[in-house]
Amino acid sequence: DAKTTQPPSMDCAEGRAANLPCNHSTISGNEYVYWYRQIHSQGPQYIIHGLKNNETNEMASLIITEDRKSSTLILPHATLRDTAVYYCIVRVPGDNDYKLSFGAGTTVTVRA
Amino acid sequence: GAGVSQTPSNKVTEKGKYVELRCDPISGHTALYWYRQSLGQGPEFLIYFQGTGAADDSGLPNDRFFAVRPEGSVSTLKIQRTERGDSAVYLCASSYRPRGGNEQFFGPGTRLTVL
Repeated sequence: DAKTTQPPSMDCAEGRAANLPCNHSTISGNEYVYWYRQIHSQGPQYIIHGLKNNETNEMASLIITEDRKSSTLILPHATLRDTAVYYCIVRVPGDNDYKLSFGAGTTVTVRA
Repeated sequence: GAGVSQTPSNKVTEKGKYVELRCDPISGHTALYWYRQSLGQGPEFLIYFQGTGAADDSGLPNDRFFAVRPEGSVSTLKIQRTERGDSAVYLCASSYRPRGGNEQFFGPGTRLTVL
């Protein structure tokens, strides 16, 4: 059972913001939203995570709706190196939840 | 510092052969994970080590697959009697905090091709 739904692909222009949506309508109260990305021929890379407040770090911003049923990962100024598959994952970070359950993700192509 | 390393980067073998895939985690990381990624899909969990012991091997597809981590650092994933369906990228990850925590650091993977 997929806990998240993401569009299979999207394009964005270099230098513009990329907004990646994720639906997680069955998310439970103690589950966090995590984002990883996987650049071609590399392993997945952690980007950001959040519970209900918006979060920002040096890589991206995460906006979670008030009802927590969906979220958006924002890459503020996309570069060609941001071309990757982006995975949205919901999980409870703790002793009993260490498996990352990746879906198919969104293939993001940044174009010059 | 050095990240997670995996060797070999590519392995081509024949059906029925035995293969070993190696993972060197980040120094000091006590948790180690193996995942398998088939073409066009996201990684799937295989096994998790906390220290030397396999805390969860529920993702191993069958008894041809086995993994060890004898000294709590380097891990080896072993596949016996390989089948063409075993062809995939095998990813290793490690984390500092036991049982997950915020971030798992992944290696580049080993691409296994079974002819």
